[in-house]
Amino acid sequence: AQSVTQLGSHVSVSEGALVLLRCNYSSSVPPYLFWYVQYPNQGLQLLLKYTTGATLVKGINGFEAEFKKSETSFHLTKPSAHMSDAAEYFCAVSESSTLGRLYFGRGTQLTVWP
Amino acid sequence: GAGVSQSPRYKVAKRGQDVALRCDPISGHVSLFWYQQALGQGPEFLTYFQNEAQLDKSGLPSDRFFAERPEGSVSTLKIQRTQQEDSAVYLCASSLDTLGAGDEQYFGPGTRLTVT
Repeated sequence: AQSVTQLGSHVSVSEGALVLLRCNYSSSVPPYLFWYVQYPNQGLQLLLKYTTGATLVKGINGFEAEFKKSETSFHLTKPSAHMSDAAEYFCAVSESSTLGRLYFGRGTQLTVWP
Repeated sequence: GAGVSQSPRYKVAKRGQDVALRCDPISGHVSLFWYQQALGQGPEFLTYFQNEAQLDKSGLPSDRFFAERPEGSVSTLKIQRTQQEDSAVYLCASSLDTLGAGDEQYFGPGTRLTVT
């Protein structure tokens, strides 16, 4: 069965600093990997996803993530944080065998200080 | 275009009451998912529809939970005899593909259910 671990339920950075949100997964088959962002009182919005091909994936708002099979990781990064990046971020995994259902991590709340 | 919409956005129910939560997916989307998000947690899968067929209901926590999508578009999640542990945000998501595990799911804003 799949599971997702997000290290750090809260991450704080200064505006302009590097953002690094960690995600590790377990999956018995090649996974599909996602990062979603959730703003208060809104639904989840897809930031980026990995399905096949290039392991470095670029998403919206300057975010990117790298799939590292050997480390079973899919960490999310952004070179320079902006105040508008403050939100909750969820890593998720799915497999073809489970009809696309997403398994989510517990989430990481990102705070950006001015 | 219109995204996924859910109604009501907020629902307060007394313990023991029945509730019905509605989801309007993006037009033309074949797949529809329901998730439950408890406070401070990530969303957890409840059930999945492909058109009107409910292909996976393994995440429904008890037989008090029931979901339907009779015409393959709008879906309703019904909870009978609500309990305090049912308090959560219920998220609906739709995607275009069938059995496409890599397909993007588009989420609605959720219904926040509070059981008192």
